[in-house]
Amino acid sequence: GENVEQHPSTLSVQEGDSAVIKCTYSDSASNYFPWYKQELGKRPQLIIDIRSNVGEKKDQRIAVTLNKTAKHFSLHITETQPEDSAVYFCAAGLNTGFQKLVFGTGTRLLVSP
Amino acid sequence: SAVISQKPSRDICQRGTSLTIQCQVDSQVTMMFWYRQQPGQSLTLIATANQGSEATYESGFVIDKFPISRPNLTFSTLTVSNMSPEDSSIYLCSVEGPSAGLADGYGYTFGSGTRLTVV
Repeated sequence: GENVEQHPSTLSVQEGDSAVIKCTYSDSASNYFPWYKQELGKRPQLIIDIRSNVGEKKDQRIAVTLNKTAKHFSLHITETQPEDSAVYFCAAGLNTGFQKLVFGTGTRLLVSP
Repeated sequence: SAVISQKPSRDICQRGTSLTIQCQVDSQVTMMFWYRQQPGQSLTLIATANQGSEATYESGFVIDKFPISRPNLTFSTLTVSNMSPEDSSIYLCSVEGPSAGLADGYGYTFGSGTRLTVV
């Protein structure tokens, strides 16, 4: 089955810096790659996603890139702010009639003022 | 965006008992998904619930331990049976549908979760 690896497990940056989180997946049939942000005690919140027919997608300070050949995708956050501090999860979706999501292990991002 | 109401939000239960978690969606959805998030860990899919058919369970999860009901297109329940301390986790339901905050407005949304502690 699908396996998703995520790095780093923790990431500390200064406010205004950029942050990059990387994920690799194993099943080349996966075609949907969402990113979730989870603040302490709250539900995971979908922040951006990309489908396999697109190489890059951007939404304000957040961007995701996908390399299907290498089977990896990355989340880029520019001009980080303290409110970006949270745990971020990547996921890979395999279309089995519906999208079955397999999640990465998570990255704890800490943005210091 | 889809609004998911999940309850209870938290509970403390005695080992050996069972707890039923409810998930109500404000729109009709074909599939509902149940996840477990152990403390400090990632999300693991327990099962997929399709209205009118038996739920499909992932490896490591069985119907006797996690029976699921899906009586209609807006509601599902997950029961955690014969609980042990190892079942202490956050349980979340999820649906596919319109998701606020995305440019193309579609994705998977989670309920607020049920924090279960088994003592």
